[in-house]
Amino acid sequence: GAVVSQHPSWVICKSGTSVKIECRSLDFQATTMFWYRQFPKQSLMLMATSNEGSKATYEQGVEKDKFLINHASLTLSTLTVTSAHPEDSSFYICSAGDSQELLNEQFFGPGTRLTVL
Amino acid sequence: AQSVTQLGSHVSVSEGALVLLRCNYSSSVPPYLFWYVQYPNQGLQLLLKYTSAATLVKGINGFEAEFKKSETSFHLTKPSAHMSDAAEYFCAVTTSGTYKYIFGTGTRLKVLA
Repeated sequence: GAVVSQHPSWVICKSGTSVKIECRSLDFQATTMFWYRQFPKQSLMLMATSNEGSKATYEQGVEKDKFLINHASLTLSTLTVTSAHPEDSSFYICSAGDSQELLNEQFFGPGTRLTVL
Repeated sequence: AQSVTQLGSHVSVSEGALVLLRCNYSSSVPPYLFWYVQYPNQGLQLLLKYTSAATLVKGINGFEAEFKKSETSFHLTKPSAHMSDAAEYFCAVTTSGTYKYIFGTGTRLKVLA
């Protein structure tokens, strides 16, 4: 089946530093990847959609200069939280769409827990 | 525009009892519908999906859901709850031509011994 990995699974950083989270599709090519943010006991909030080789499309209210997304290959997308602050602490989940999959299903990574001190 | 409504943010059932989690959708075009389960500090795991084939969809772990166009519903059921079913459940909708999902707000299932 389609597997998506995320690295790291958890990260703790100091306020003001930048953190990079990787999302990889392990056994399929993902032309489209999504980044979500999830606050405790809430649903997933879509942050942005990234397409391989082009700029990400950010949802309204998401700061593109703070959450940098790069989708340089068909198997890798990265989310960089720049100048992180405690309010950026959250659970970040990526997902990927299989370019060969006709049914528009997203495959989800295991998530990354970010804690900013 | 599409939307998903999950009725009941918290549902409690006794072990062995029927599980019913409700999902209603709104879509101007034929939808694709999904149910996902999320355990604490984990990503989403697909339980089942409706993609315009059979209206009764069987998924993993004994779950199933029925697509009812007339009621715009896609409720998730399981005949007999198990303690391991305690988790957060999300319903999602998308349509052909886009990968973008619209998620419901989630339902937390608690299973009582």
